[in-house]
Amino acid sequence: GQQLNQSPQSMFIQEGEDVSMNCTSSSIFNTWLWYKQEPGEGPVLLIALYKAGELTSNGRLTAQFGITRKDSFLNISASIPSDVGIYFCAGSQGGSEKLVFGKGTKLTVNP
Amino acid sequence: EAGVAQSPRYKIIEKRQSVAFWCNPISGHATLYWYQQILGQGPKLLIQFQNNGVVDDSQLPKDRFSAERLKGVDSTLKIQPAKLEDSAVYLCASSSKRVQFFGPGTRLTVL
Repeated sequence: GQQLNQSPQSMFIQEGEDVSMNCTSSSIFNTWLWYKQEPGEGPVLLIALYKAGELTSNGRLTAQFGITRKDSFLNISASIPSDVGIYFCAGSQGGSEKLVFGKGTKLTVNP
Repeated sequence: EAGVAQSPRYKIIEKRQSVAFWCNPISGHATLYWYQQILGQGPKLLIQFQNNGVVDDSQLPKDRFSAERLKGVDSTLKIQPAKLEDSAVYLCASSSKRVQFFGPGTRLTVL
């Protein structure tokens, strides 16, 4: 089945640093979503992107829907310890709401 | 607004036993999903319901997994008989406007 390639697999950063992660696909998606998952919890939606080129912010988080519709990135500015978790990209194709997920980026923030 | 509710949160069973999970979606959400999330992976869709009808169950192992949503609201997912490889977190989600909202999940351990 369709897969999303998410990178990096893990990141270890110092508090205050900026973070960037991305997701790529070999085929076109028409919706990109970014979720954060903490231990013992389900994924929580961070940002939803619906149009190619769309750039959306949510506090210190910024995500973009790539022009080719085959990629998306998520940036976190001025990281804080509570940013720790696993970040997943997910996308849907055509008129379907069915989501395909990346394997996640595990973020560790050292205070 | 209440989120997606799931129970139980944890379940430990022996292989060949049966187990059932329950989900109550966000009020008014017609679409409900069950996902399997194996440790270190992103969620994988098992089945999608629209009201009480199945939209997609192509990745549901139908020889042992079954799901129903009889009244178009809450849903149950059953595994019978369980195998060791079924150990995972089972997530329920419901959607509105192409965005899926997840419950906290049920962590299943098969011994």
